[in-house]
Order: sequence, then C-alpha cells, then structure tokens
Amino acid sequence: ETGVTQTPRHLVMGMTNKKSLKCEQHLGHNAMYWYKQSAKKPLELMFVYNFKEQTENNSVPSRFSPECPNSSHLFLHLHTLQPEDSALYLCASSQVDENTGELFFGEGSRLTVL
Amino acid sequence: QQPVQSPQAVILREGEDAVINCSSSKALYSVHWYRQKHGEAPVFLMILLKGGEQKGHDKISASFNEKKQQSSLYLTASQLSYSGTYFCGTEQDYKYIFGTGTRLKVLA
Repeated sequence: ETGVTQTPRHLVMGMTNKKSLKCEQHLGHNAMYWYKQSAKKPLELMFVYNFKEQTENNSVPSRFSPECPNSSHLFLHLHTLQPEDSALYLCASSQVDENTGELFFGEGSRLTVL
Repeated sequence: QQPVQSPQAVILREGEDAVINCSSSKALYSVHWYRQKHGEAPVFLMILLKGGEQKGHDKISASFNEKKQQSSLYLTASQLSYSGTYFCGTEQDYKYIFGTGTRLKVLA
C-alpha cells in the first residue's frame, strides 16, 4: 500500500470506446503524474499537475485527456484509442517544494486496446 | 532528453556486487533511484542530492562523477530480492524524467 490507488487495475476497450482511468492519493502531496509504460520500454512521462495546474503535456495525443479536479484526484480520459496505446498506465504523486520529492506510484492500470 | 542507463541488463550471483550507471546530457542536480519488480509499481530506493548527500536504503549507495552528468548506483552483497528493473529519475526543465532502465537478475 503506497497511498496511491488506481482504478481499474485492468481495462479492455475497443477503439471507439470512451473510458477513464482514476487515481487517488492519500498522502497530501501537491503534484500528480501520469506515466505510460509499454512492454520493454522505459517510463514515459505524459502529464504533470502541480497544485492542480497542468504544467506538462509531453506531446501526448489528444485522444488522452487528463483532468485534475483537486490535489488528491487525477483522471485520464481515453477516447478512440489505437492498439499501440495498450500499456501499463502508472499514476504517481510527490511533494514538490524546492526539489521534487520521491514519487509514490500506484499499482497501475493495465490497458488493452482491441 | 531521457537519461541513458548502463548496462541494459546484468546477471549476478547472490552476494556479488553490481554497479548501474545513469548518464545525462545535462548536469544532474539530484537523482532518485527506483526498483520495479515484474508486474509491480516502481518503488523508491534512494535519493542522491546535489551535494552528494544520500537518503534511503542502507545497503545501496550512489555517487556522481566529476561533471555530475553521471550517477552510479552501487548494490553491495546482492540478495535475491534485489532482482528487478532499476530506473534513475531526475528533474529536467521542471519535468521528472526516468532513465532507460537496467534489468538486474540475482541468482542463488
């Protein structure tokens, strides 16, 4: 239990579906992140929210849409995805003060796009 | 730009030592190290701060090279539980970026 909870843990969707991934952190952190991890590839930063403000959109296609309604919750809305979007999506949180603190990760949401 | 780690993979026997490197095109002001076991989320191991101070695991240490463009992670007297993929993480231009990863396997 890392204090970061992701749901669902597994998701299978068709290319025309709309779904959302949810992340909740119970650590009182002020920054939250979405990372994508494909098979045999390193972690790719997708989005960063500091104090609920999106500070980074790392050239992510518009079919991925993040939402951060408050500092404890982060969503990733998915729409008309492609099979190559199948991956493990990891949410993380940290406390950003002078430097970025350690990241605490959720267990991830395994996405399969058919 | 993503830090490059070396080696890409390493196999060692229990009790042996290992070194994993993390190289960046820019100076590293602080480096975090994480380990990810198969099917699990990455877990924080330690942080190496810009002055060389370290916080974290007691059997794992790290250092910078002279130009602070490379950090090395030292695993001493490895245990079976050390198996996994190791990532360095660093802040660049206000983005938290992970390295390419090193797969480590410890055999009995």
